[in-house]
Amino acid sequence: AQTVTQSQPEMSVQEAETVTLSCTYDTSESDYYLFWYKQPPSRQMILVIRQEAYKQQNATENRFSVNFQKAAKSFSLKISDSQLGDAAMYFCAYRSALGAQKLVFGQGTRLTINP
Amino acid sequence: DAGVIQSPRHEVTEMGQEVTLRCKPISGHDYLFWYRQTMMRGLELLIYFNNNVPIDDSGMPEDRFSAKMPNASFSTLKIQPSEPRDSAVYFCASAVQGSYEQYFGPGTRLTVT
Repeated sequence: AQTVTQSQPEMSVQEAETVTLSCTYDTSESDYYLFWYKQPPSRQMILVIRQEAYKQQNATENRFSVNFQKAAKSFSLKISDSQLGDAAMYFCAYRSALGAQKLVFGQGTRLTINP
Repeated sequence: DAGVIQSPRHEVTEMGQEVTLRCKPISGHDYLFWYRQTMMRGLELLIYFNNNVPIDDSGMPEDRFSAKMPNASFSTLKIQPSEPRDSAVYFCASAVQGSYEQYFGPGTRLTVT
């Protein structure tokens, strides 16, 4: 079974600075997808960014980018120019590209933005 | 589109009572997922459907939990009888075949006293 681990329960960063959230995963599959979801206090789950395992290029969405290291099974999220609205729980998630459609989530990292 | 709709948003009930959570997926989506979020176990999949058929219910904790999808636009998650340890936020999500993204509803916060 696949597992996702986020080793940082909490992180904090100064507004306008850069922060990196860590995620590692375990799988025997070669084809899969990785995601970062944001959960603000409203508890709505919002997709931030996704990465297809077959792509070597790291995904980027505006201020959000990932560092995908397939061999190391690592998938970190970098948030540049942090804004107060970035404060939330961030979840790393895995999904197989074949068969099961379900998402396997990490435990989450609570990100605080200091003004 | 209104997105995934869940009702109720909050539910408080007493131990032993039956609880029914409802979900309306996004129109045209053929996958529906039920997740549970707790402090202890995080976010975990309970069950998912494809074209109204249950595909994987291995995450359903016990026989007290049941889920149905009578048609493409409606699903229920029922807990009978409810217990305090069932207190959690229950999310419904939907997806369309061939898409990467699952769209989550706002969740139902269930408190069992």
